[in-house]
Amino acid sequence: KQEVTQIPAALSVPEGENLVLNCSFTDSAIYNLQWFRQDPGKGLTSLLLIQSSQREQTSGRLNASLDKSSGRSTLYIAASQPGDSATYLCAVSLQTSYDKVIFGPGTSLSVIP
Amino acid sequence: EAQVTQNPRYLITVTGKKLTVTCSQNMNHEYMSWYRQDPGLGLRQIYYSMNVEVTDKGDVPEGYKVSRKEKRNFPLILESPSPNQTSLYFCASSFNGGMGNTIYFGEGSWLTVV
Repeated sequence: KQEVTQIPAALSVPEGENLVLNCSFTDSAIYNLQWFRQDPGKGLTSLLLIQSSQREQTSGRLNASLDKSSGRSTLYIAASQPGDSATYLCAVSLQTSYDKVIFGPGTSLSVIP
Repeated sequence: EAQVTQNPRYLITVTGKKLTVTCSQNMNHEYMSWYRQDPGLGLRQIYYSMNVEVTDKGDVPEGYKVSRKEKRNFPLILESPSPNQTSLYFCASSFNGGMGNTIYFGEGSWLTVV
């Protein structure tokens, strides 16, 4: 059964630092991977989608990479800002049942001014 | 504006009293899905729908029903709610399945069953 984990569970950094969030999945046969942001009491907002044939995606200060063979994805945030404080979740869809989506537990990020 | 709208946003109900949480999207998406989010357990998929009249179970479907009679609507039905269904519920939609497109989420529905 596919399991998705995220390390660390929580992270606190000073403003301006570059940081990396990690996402691991046990079954490398994923279809796609997507990173989301969730603000307290709010729904999720999609940040980056990496399709099965891609290895990375970039949007502004965000860069996500995907290594399917090792079961890992990273989300890199450059020059962090207090407004980046939120919970970041990764999710995968499966090759064997691609309409199912499995989420990781999330990393809670706090950027200190 | 692209939107996924859920109602009600907040609800307290009693055990056994049937309730429906509505979900509507205005993006003509084929794929819609329901999730529940619980502390320590994360976000788990309840049901999903690939198109009108096509639905399937996610990881935690027990105690829930869904229907997809129209493309834009995907209601979640709790026939006989129990306290273990107290949770934060999210509806989501995307152009098609496989997470090959951006997933859009609603704002969430806080449900308490007493």
